[in-house]
Amino acid sequence: QKEVEQNSGPLSVPEGAIASLNCTYSDRVSQSFFWYRQYSGKSPELIMSIYSNGDKEDGRFTAQLNKASQYVSLLIRDSQPSDSATYLCAAILTGGGNKLTFGTGTQLKVEL
Amino acid sequence: SAVISQKPSRDICQRGTSLTIQCQVDSQVTMMFWYRQQPGQSLTLIATANQGSEATYESGFVIDKFPISRPNLTFSTLTVSNMSPEDSSIYLCSVVGTSGGETQYFGPGTRLTVL
Repeated sequence: QKEVEQNSGPLSVPEGAIASLNCTYSDRVSQSFFWYRQYSGKSPELIMSIYSNGDKEDGRFTAQLNKASQYVSLLIRDSQPSDSATYLCAAILTGGGNKLTFGTGTQLKVEL
Repeated sequence: SAVISQKPSRDICQRGTSLTIQCQVDSQVTMMFWYRQQPGQSLTLIATANQGSEATYESGFVIDKFPISRPNLTFSTLTVSNMSPEDSSIYLCSVVGTSGGETQYFGPGTRLTVL
């Protein structure tokens, strides 16, 4: 099993809908998780980090962490065409050194 | 967050040559990393750039192929040596700031094409 796994998509949602992006992880990662957004041809941009069980909200974005089920998700409310991008789930590997491991990314398309 | 720049932003190189990529940060940072993103793929960690000492490489990456320097807390270089078309990728540096957190921020990347 990979350390972090994501469905590659594409995930298509209509404008204004809620986009739900999911990520599962293995025991080889610590309890620090990050969501990055990457537009085509650009570098990853941090959206949110989450460390504790439960929900963390920032504007239209909500990150959810469920340690018992080993999944982390990102909800995007009121999706806009400008949200169309690849979303990368990342986690700090156990063993120290602050090393990040990434999922394969989920491509989100928000349609008019 | 820190402002990170990379040079060059892109390059087209011939097989067998080497390219050095620079990563400059506008403030001192505790940790710097180098990643590779091959076409259509996610990010893979190449190495941790250690200030004043040899870089720590991940499995599958070696110093002879990817020598790294980090002379101070704001600057690092990655060299891609003896390039082949398989080295065509985006190379990204990332940093962790001095605030004690774990969050990594990425530079704009260097798009390398090897012919």
